[in-house]
Amino acid sequence: ETGVTQTPRHLVMGMTNKKSLKCEQHLGHNAMYWYKQSAKKPLELMFVYNFKEQTENNSVPSRFSPECPNSSHLFLHLHTLQPEDSALYLCASSQEKGTGELFFGEGSRLTVL
Amino acid sequence: GENVEQHPSTLSVQEGDSAVIKCTYSDSASNYFPWYKQELGKRPQLIIDIRSNVGEKKDQRIAVTLNKTAKHFSLHITETQPEDSAVYFCAASTYGGFKTIFGAGTRLFVKA
Repeated sequence: ETGVTQTPRHLVMGMTNKKSLKCEQHLGHNAMYWYKQSAKKPLELMFVYNFKEQTENNSVPSRFSPECPNSSHLFLHLHTLQPEDSALYLCASSQEKGTGELFFGEGSRLTVL
Repeated sequence: GENVEQHPSTLSVQEGDSAVIKCTYSDSASNYFPWYKQELGKRPQLIIDIRSNVGEKKDQRIAVTLNKTAKHFSLHITETQPEDSAVYFCAASTYGGFKTIFGAGTRLFVKA
């Protein structure tokens, strides 16, 4: 399989639940990203990892916890979320210092009840 | 902080007409300006990009212009077709950097 794959594609959770989003890229890239897309603020950068090291945290609340065990996998751990966290969460990857093009996954649609 | 403004938020054109989307950016260090297209229910995909050492770039029916002095860049789509209907995002970043800032998006409708 090629490209950027995200699972699950849809997730419904209560405010007290703990869940995780998973992203896997098969492009040989070294940088991975989490973006949040909602009607209020389309394509909002959350986290950036380069060679497994976090290089950017865009003032994201601690109820979102990223994990990058290797350059191909990225997780977003979710706990005690709020209804306003309902959104499409997009993972992306890019070369370390390449063209700058972001390759996005299909996204995980999260609904917090 | 860094900011990218995009206008209009919605654009409706007749098939065959041209469409223009405009963006401004605030970070003078930005030197890479990509444009992404997101069709309904799909992922955003890069359609064209421009670097700051170039004033204009064209790829078939789409072109992008950059005015670095004014911090403006624009997307031009000629001879629009219904399949051009989508949301278009401009963005700005530093080439080789990791922080890409997106505009709010323009929803383009092309009426047949």
